[in-house]
Amino acid sequence: EVQLVESGGGLVQPGGSLRLSCAASGFTFGKFAMTWVRQAPGKGLEWVSATSGSGSNTYYADSVKGRFTISRDNSKNTLYLQTDSLRAEDTAVYYCAKDLQQQVIRGPDAFDVWGQGAVVTVSS
Amino acid sequence: DIQMTQSPSSLSASVGDRVTITCRASQSISIFLNWYQQKPGKAPNLLIYAASTLQSGVPSRFSGSGSGTDFTLTISSLQPEDIATYYCQQSYSTPRTFGQGTKVEIK
Repeated sequence: EVQLVESGGGLVQPGGSLRLSCAASGFTFGKFAMTWVRQAPGKGLEWVSATSGSGSNTYYADSVKGRFTISRDNSKNTLYLQTDSLRAEDTAVYYCAKDLQQQVIRGPDAFDVWGQGAVVTVSS
Repeated sequence: DIQMTQSPSSLSASVGDRVTITCRASQSISIFLNWYQQKPGKAPNLLIYAASTLQSGVPSRFSGSGSGTDFTLTISSLQPEDIATYYCQQSYSTPRTFGQGTKVEIK
């Protein structure tokens, strides 16, 4: 069964850090790009970051650039999102998702498998 | 960044009705448009990619069309289990952007 399981969420003070993890199973992890998408309480979906199958290419939303770092360990089938300098507006459910493609391309790419989400709350 | 605008923001329809949701991109995105369904408290689920390709396992009452800047998601006969919020998303460029969502309810 293809599965993604996030962990690492929690309550953190403004300015703090968290590292989210996403453990993948049921598919050849390194053959697919991976993405983080977040959803603030009662709001819509926001694309956060993506990385190619090898991890050599990374992409960020302007809202997190310079504060968040995406990475992956293909030997451990795990995707990470290091979140630093957290702000109240980063409070959200963070989903990891599998891309249809190996690269983040201009083309028929979509997120076909999603994790259950990790809750991040930034508050003092 | 490419802006995605959905309409309507919400709709109410009866079981068996034909439901149409539209998505407009701020620039041409060819056919690189995807549709997701999200039920309350759950992760999104891919319904359609590349504007009209039905994802495996998705009921055939869902269909998509369009190209360029204007796209449509159609539910041919609304079922009670289709109650959800629907999002469009472009894969033409990064940042990948989503529409604001359309909430579908039963009348």
